Amino acid sequence: EAQVTQNPRYLITVTGKKLTVTCSQNMNHEYMSWYRQDPGLGLRQIYYSMNVEVTDKGDVPEGYKVSRKEKRNFPLILESPSPNQTSLYFCASSPSPDRGSGELFFGEGSRLTVL
Amino acid sequence: GESVGLHLPTLSVQEGDNSIINCAYSNSASDYFIWYKQESGKGPQFIIDIRSNMDKRQGQRVTVLLNKTVKHLSLQIAATQPGDSAVYFCAESPSTDKLIFGTGTRLQVFP
Repeated sequence: EAQVTQNPRYLITVTGKKLTVTCSQNMNHEYMSWYRQDPGLGLRQIYYSMNVEVTDKGDVPEGYKVSRKEKRNFPLILESPSPNQTSLYFCASSPSPDRGSGELFFGEGSRLTVL
Repeated sequence: GESVGLHLPTLSVQEGDNSIINCAYSNSASDYFIWYKQESGKGPQFIIDIRSNMDKRQGQRVTVLLNKTVKHLSLQIAATQPGDSAVYFCAESPSTDKLIFGTGTRLQVFP
């Protein structure tokens, strides 16, 4: 089954404790992206990747890191989480690096709470 | 700044009726638009898209209308079913590497 898989789905952590949210897609998509979803703000892009070893900042990259060493994986790293990073995170992939075409396939989401 | 807005945060319709979800966009450079559906506890799911060279596009039970003059986008769902209950997002693409999402409209379907 074609899918985007995120882990963990739920996580409660404390300020400053490094964490990684993994994302894997099995569709051989070139484009991958991370979003955060907050009430009243919609989906905001954190980072995206057009292909292996190519990553770029989105609209809200502060406090996050990503890597794209393999085509299928795109982990989101929070080196020193803070409470304002409490949010619902979505990973997405697309067969086309052109965001003006092609649909995004989203994971199920990872709800992160930073105390 | 760039923004994508929605007229109604919640829309309640009776099962079997048609639903219309509206979206206003602000960037006149946007030439590609997408509607997503997000069910509770799940990630957004692509519904339908439309390019700026079109005014209307139809899918299965869904139609998207684009009015570039007033920068307005709408999603019409025919014969709304309980399974259509979800939050619907519009998104606009002002450039090939950017997609701006709206805040969403919740559609509630009652019997």
